[in-house]
Amino acid sequence: QVQLQESGPGLVKPSETLSLTCSVSGGSIDNYYWIWIRQPPGKGLEWVGHYYNGGTTSYKPSLKSRVSISVDTSKNQISLRLTSVSAADTAMYYCSRDASSRPSTIWGRGIFVTVSS
Amino acid sequence: DIQMTQSPTTLSASVGDRVTITCRASQSVNTWLAWYQQKPGKAPKLLIFKASSLESGVPSRFSGSGFGTEFTLNIASLQPDDFATYYCQQYNSYSWTFGQGTKVEVK
Repeated sequence: QVQLQESGPGLVKPSETLSLTCSVSGGSIDNYYWIWIRQPPGKGLEWVGHYYNGGTTSYKPSLKSRVSISVDTSKNQISLRLTSVSAADTAMYYCSRDASSRPSTIWGRGIFVTVSS
Repeated sequence: DIQMTQSPTTLSASVGDRVTITCRASQSVNTWLAWYQQKPGKAPKLLIFKASSLESGVPSRFSGSGFGTEFTLNIASLQPDDFATYYCQQYNSYSWTFGQGTKVEVK
């Protein structure tokens, strides 16, 4: 059974870079969409972006200049990098995976990141 | 960006009620529309994909319909476990987007 686990610092200072990792167990990284979604406290879900097999990426337009998603197949990990963070980037960050026309069918538990000095 | 608008924002209902949530897209997304259920402190759970396909393990009281820009999620007979927040999501375009959510609360 495929499981996803997000990890990274829970606190990031303003203007610095947020770096998160999604570790995949029980399955391959190949041939799937790997999706990052975030949720600010008390608010709705926000699609951040995704990575697809072979290096195709897509990002939320308002984040495009600051965000990147990459994959390390040797480690079975997906990474999210968000630069120049502000308090508005404080959120629960989820990693998810698609399967056969299902956009996010498997989810990690999420990791809460606070942006504060 | 394709904008997704859900209505209502909050819905008060009782166990046994039939519940309908609507999701409207700012432009056609064909049938590339999913519905999720989220409970407090938990990751969302996929209920419906491709507008009307039921995810494995999801009770049959949940159903989805629609095409293009208008979609609905129906819960045939609301159960205690169904009080939660529901989100639609389009995954047709280069950039995916969620609706703002509909909270189903106890009447």
